[in-house]
Amino acid sequence: QITLKESGPTLVKPTQTLTLTCTFSGFSLSTSGVGVGWIRQPPGKALEWLALIYWDDDKRYSPSLKSRLTITKDTSKNQVVLTMTNMDPVDTATYYCAQHIVATIFNWGQGTLVTVSS
Amino acid sequence: AIRMTQSPSSFSASTGDRVTITCRASQGISSYLAWYQQKPGKAPKLLIYAASTLQSGVPSRFSGSGSGTDFTLTISCLQSEDFATYYCQQYYSYPITFGQGTRLEIK
Repeated sequence: QITLKESGPTLVKPTQTLTLTCTFSGFSLSTSGVGVGWIRQPPGKALEWLALIYWDDDKRYSPSLKSRLTITKDTSKNQVVLTMTNMDPVDTATYYCAQHIVATIFNWGQGTLVTVSS
Repeated sequence: AIRMTQSPSSFSASTGDRVTITCRASQGISSYLAWYQQKPGKAPKLLIYAASTLQSGVPSRFSGSGSGTDFTLTISCLQSEDFATYYCQQYYSYPITFGQGTRLEIK
């Protein structure tokens, strides 16, 4: 059974850096073609893809957010970490981590709501 | 970035209806398209990938078709549990992009 779970702060202040951790099980990030990425969804709005890291450490970012995002992995811990700098209220959203297989998103975490407010 | 446009944005239907949702890509994406279903407060769920391949465990009343720029998701006989929001997503090139969603409501 494949599971992913997001963890991190639920409230951050403007200008702060957000750090989210995805802890997963049921698959290995050492397997060819497998990646773990992040997608967000502001309340009542559509999905927005953010970043992805592959088994071979290839990293992909949304161009509109690339300057603010960093994605890393710890294969031994089955974790992927996303950092987003200079948070703003418009970044308030549910953040999902998800298993990608050659860019198709097969399995999603439950999501974590992050609110940006002073 | 490739823009994905879904139509309609929302509509109402009745249990038992056959419904079709369309998704258009701003440039050709071959068959690198997936469809997801999302219910309120829940994560999206993969229904179809590679434009027409049904994900394991998804009921056969769901089907997908298309290639290039025009795609459709069809639900052959709506069930109560199908009322949700549906998203298309292209993975032909980065950044991965989603459509704006189609909200399917009970008539």
